[in-house]
Amino acid sequence: NAGVTQTPKFQVLKTGQSMTLQCAQDMNHEYMSWYRQDPGMGLRLIHYSVGAGITDQGEVPNGYNVSRSTTEDFPLRLLSAAPSQTSVYFCASSYSFSSTDTQYFGPGTRLTVL
Amino acid sequence: GDSVTQMEGPVTLSEEACLTINCTYTATGYPSLFWYVQYPGEGLQLLLKATKADDKGSNKGFEATYRKETTSFHLEKGSVQVSDSAVYFCALIRTAGGTSYGKLTFGQGTILTVHP
Repeated sequence: NAGVTQTPKFQVLKTGQSMTLQCAQDMNHEYMSWYRQDPGMGLRLIHYSVGAGITDQGEVPNGYNVSRSTTEDFPLRLLSAAPSQTSVYFCASSYSFSSTDTQYFGPGTRLTVL
Repeated sequence: GDSVTQMEGPVTLSEEACLTINCTYTATGYPSLFWYVQYPGEGLQLLLKATKADDKGSNKGFEATYRKETTSFHLEKGSVQVSDSAVYFCALIRTAGGTSYGKLTFGQGTILTVHP
């Protein structure tokens, strides 16, 4: 099992550009989510999905879109990048959204918006 | 809303010293509690968890006990190693009921550096 994979590892964008951060898991997990990590703030939930075709907003969804067409993939789209979106992005997955299920994190994508 | 507060870092220790990282939480109901560890350049890994009051989670020599009366989940290790140098995050998930939908609420993280 590769677990949770994310691409790219690093990305530099200019203000206004768009891009998609890729996330995939091979554990047949129903629940997937995206977090951003900023210094001194821990991780904050952007969007999540409880299964293919079902997504919802988290704590900080503005400026980001998601879709979930398959169980395996959960891409995060930045529509028009802003410097405030400079951050490290983590994708996570778990068997379900039960509070007792372990969530597995990917290695992260470090994004810089100039 | 839910929140997690961790002790301020960074924490610097010598090898074989004792470690305690304090964590307190505010949440509705009875959350599950977690400690995650992030090694340099890597993603987060689950270190240990506890899903009900008085449970003790343990892994790799680390322990934490779910204390409902003090709303705390302090991380402890009796003898740290250089390889324990990492960022440690305390987190919670609200249990069934409401619309938590697996949302982890994290503390701000504590940087631990262990010197030989």
